Amino acid sequence: AQTIHQWPVAEIKAVGSPLSLGCTIKGKSSPNLYWYWQATGGTLQQLFYSITVGQVESVVQLNLSASRPKDDQFILSTEKLLLSHSGFYLCAWSSRTGGARAEQFFGPGTRLTVL
Amino acid sequence: GQQVQQSPSSLVLQEGENAELQCNFSSTATQLQWFYQSPGGSLVSLLSNPSGTKHTGRLTSTTVTKERRSSLHISSSQTTDSGTYLCALTGNTRKLIFGLGTTLQVQP
Repeated sequence: AQTIHQWPVAEIKAVGSPLSLGCTIKGKSSPNLYWYWQATGGTLQQLFYSITVGQVESVVQLNLSASRPKDDQFILSTEKLLLSHSGFYLCAWSSRTGGARAEQFFGPGTRLTVL
Repeated sequence: GQQVQQSPSSLVLQEGENAELQCNFSSTATQLQWFYQSPGGSLVSLLSNPSGTKHTGRLTSTTVTKERRSSLHISSSQTTDSGTYLCALTGNTRKLIFGLGTTLQVQP
């Protein structure tokens, strides 16, 4: 069975400080990986997706970046946090086969508070 | 672009009552998923139903592709069903577009 792990569970950071959020998927080879973000009271928005190691596509510009250093790992980061970065970050995966038809499965999320 | 509208925005039921949640979308959906979002924020995938009718436990989803709508029926609601139900779909890309959700409160 596939498992998806995100770290940290929660983070409180100062404006202007750096950030790194991580996501690991076990039990699935070569998955498509995604980062989603939800502001408090808002809708979930896809930020990035990756179909293979080293390849990341940006969907929404939020002064964040993402990288996929390994097949099973997806990293979200920024060098300078903004207040508007606060919210809930979710990592998701889908099977490479199926394209847009593939179901997406989500991790437990990281709650970020920027002060 | 694709838009997803969910109704009602909130719903209060007595335990044992049935719930009917609606999802309307503006363009063809290639994949459609229903999620439960806990008060803590985590997402649980309930059903994948881009067309037709699917059942799992007390949940039934019906998607009418031509009419661009999907419903989620919860039978015999329980207090533990309380939370937010999200409809999300893809079009031609892998980008899941989410609705704002229906917040369900089931009272004992």
